Amino acid sequence: DAMVIQNPRYQVTQFGKPVTLSCSQTLNHNVMYWYQQKSSQAPKLLFHYYDKDFNNEADTPDNFQSRRPNTSFCFLDIRSPGLGDAAMYLCASKAGGTDTQYFGPGTRLTVL
Amino acid sequence: AQSVTQPDIHITVSEGASLELRCNYSYGATPYLFWYVQSPGQGLQLLLKYFSGDTLVQGIKGFEAEFKRSQSSFNLRKPSVHWSDAAEYFCAVGGRNQGGKLIFGQGTELSVKP
Repeated sequence: DAMVIQNPRYQVTQFGKPVTLSCSQTLNHNVMYWYQQKSSQAPKLLFHYYDKDFNNEADTPDNFQSRRPNTSFCFLDIRSPGLGDAAMYLCASKAGGTDTQYFGPGTRLTVL
Repeated sequence: AQSVTQPDIHITVSEGASLELRCNYSYGATPYLFWYVQSPGQGLQLLLKYFSGDTLVQGIKGFEAEFKRSQSSFNLRKPSVHWSDAAEYFCAVGGRNQGGKLIFGQGTELSVKP
């Protein structure tokens, strides 16, 4: 089945140690999103790619970066994780010109 | 400013009872409205969406929602709740501009009593 896949589902890192979260989609969507969802809060958009064009939200910290090497894959890099970055990270995709985003299962990040 | 408000943080209903989850939005352009459900530790699953046309939309799992432009509301309803409906429910608003960015409400946690 076509879907959005996130790996790993659970990630533990140490304070200040760089970490990369992975997302892939088999839907051939040209738009991909990364959301951060802290405990008991709404998902908050960090950035998105429209094709190869990167769009950063104004309040996304510089600590967060993203790469999209091809249509299917998108990575979230956290350069120096702090305790406040512990959250669920959700990846989503959609076809440009449509309006429905499809979400992956998320990666739960723990920072020790 | 664009925003979504879900006034109820937590709702408890008895199994078999009816359910209504409230959602109010503020959006400058024609809104595209969504309801997503999230089970613990899982991603978001789309329940239903409204873009235009009939203001009463049907979704999966027996859910429906009604768009009321005059009240800026998009409330989610289900006539008879099942124990498996216990989850977090998010209302979201978006549009075709701005890369289709979604703005989510704070969510409503639904508990179901046996």
